[in-house]
Amino acid sequence: DQQVKQNSPSLSVQEGRISILNCDYTNSMFDYFLWYKKYPAEGPTFLISISSIKDKNEDGRFTVFLNKSAKHLSLHIVPSQPGDSAVYFCAASYPNTGNQFYFGTGTSLTVIP
Amino acid sequence: GAGVSQTPSNKVTEKGKYVELRCDPISGHTALYWYRQSLGQGPEFLIYFQGTGAADDSGLPNDRFFAVRPEGSVSTLKIQRTERGDSAVYLCASSLIAGQTDTQYFGPGTRLTVL
Repeated sequence: DQQVKQNSPSLSVQEGRISILNCDYTNSMFDYFLWYKKYPAEGPTFLISISSIKDKNEDGRFTVFLNKSAKHLSLHIVPSQPGDSAVYFCAASYPNTGNQFYFGTGTSLTVIP
Repeated sequence: GAGVSQTPSNKVTEKGKYVELRCDPISGHTALYWYRQSLGQGPEFLIYFQGTGAADDSGLPNDRFFAVRPEGSVSTLKIQRTERGDSAVYLCASSLIAGQTDTQYFGPGTRLTVL
């Protein structure tokens, strides 16, 4: 039972344009959300996070938006750069669960120079 | 500083064999996690340690899987009587403390192939 879903397995964007990666979740108890980025043959690396008390968090070119009523979050990358090409995983957690993260299946982003 | 390291990077074994996968967390990190990533999927939680004890092993698929962290640092994931369905990338992560908002830092993973 996939509680965190990324319905787009891949996305291609031109360099300099905006990349928007989407994530949906089903468990209303989730209150902390993260995005991880993964290059081939490497482990996922933390990118940005957001608590459910916020609806937006920004860090440089990366912004995460959270819509709790829709159980949806998105990651915006602007401007996109070729080095952003990677697989992006959305993850979520809720209190008192041993801090395990529930991951989506990932979206492979290709930024075309 | 050194990140999370995992050995071996690749392991090929035959069905029915026993394997051990090792994780060296970031120095000083008290929490350690094991995840498994199958092809086309995201990482799935297996077990988490706070110090030496397994605080949550609810993700272990069955009793063929076992993990230890005897001195609160290095951890070993042990798989007995391996099956082809165990083939996956096994990821280890560590965090400074076991708080919900503490960033988990992942190692590069061990790719296990069971023939």
